[in-house]
Amino acid sequence: AQSVTQLGSHVSVSEGALVLLRCNYSSSVPPYLFWYVQYPNQGLQLLLKYTTGATLVKGINGFEAEFKKSETSFHLTKPSAHMSDAAEYFCAVSDGAGSYQLTFGKGTKLSVIP
Amino acid sequence: DAGVIQSPRHEVTEMGQEVTLRCKPISGHDYLFWYRQTMMRGLELLIYFNNNVPIDDSGMPEDRFSAKMPNASFSTLKIQPSEPRDSAVYFCASSPLVKGGYTFGSGTRLTVV
Repeated sequence: AQSVTQLGSHVSVSEGALVLLRCNYSSSVPPYLFWYVQYPNQGLQLLLKYTTGATLVKGINGFEAEFKKSETSFHLTKPSAHMSDAAEYFCAVSDGAGSYQLTFGKGTKLSVIP
Repeated sequence: DAGVIQSPRHEVTEMGQEVTLRCKPISGHDYLFWYRQTMMRGLELLIYFNNNVPIDDSGMPEDRFSAKMPNASFSTLKIQPSEPRDSAVYFCASSPLVKGGYTFGSGTRLTVV
C-alpha cells in the first residue's frame, strides 16, 4: 500500500521568498503524484500532477514540482511567494493505473508574511 | 461545467437525528468518492463508487453511515443516528480516471450538537 509523508504541518515564508513544501511517498509500483491546494472554507483544487514523462511538472499559480524516483520525493516549489498563496497544501499518491484511489498526506499549512 | 456540486454547504443538527448529504458529480466521471476531513484525522476516504457501484466502503466508520449512488448524476451519504463526533467537513469528489486527479466539491460542514 502506498503512503505519503509531508514534512512540516506548518510552513511560514516571507512574501517574495522561495516556497518549498516537502512530500515523500512510498509505493510498490510507479506512482501517480498530485498536489492539491485548499483555501479556507473551500474544497481541494488540483495544482499539478505527475503521471509519466517529464519529471518536472508545472502547475497553476506558478507552482512546480519535481518527481525524484531515487529520493521517492515530489516536493512543491514556487520561486516567489505571494500573499494569495496562503492555504493548505496536500500531496497525494496513487499506485499508477492499477488503482483509482488517492492516498493523501496530512497537509502543510502555508503562511505568507508580508 | 458546474463542477462537483454538494448540498447543503452547512448542516447543524441535533444528536440522534438523521443527516443526508448530497452530491452531483461531473457528467462523464465514472468514479465518485466521499471523504471526511477533520483536524485530528485529516482527509479520510469513506467510500468510492465506480459506475454507480460501491467498490470499497472499508473507510465507512460505522453502520450508522451509509452511501448510495442511484444513478450517474447523484449520490447521498447518510448518517443515522448522528453523533457529535461525526462533526466534520464531508467532501465529494469525482474523476474520469485516477491519472486525471479528482475534482472536489466545496464540501458540507456538518455540526452535530
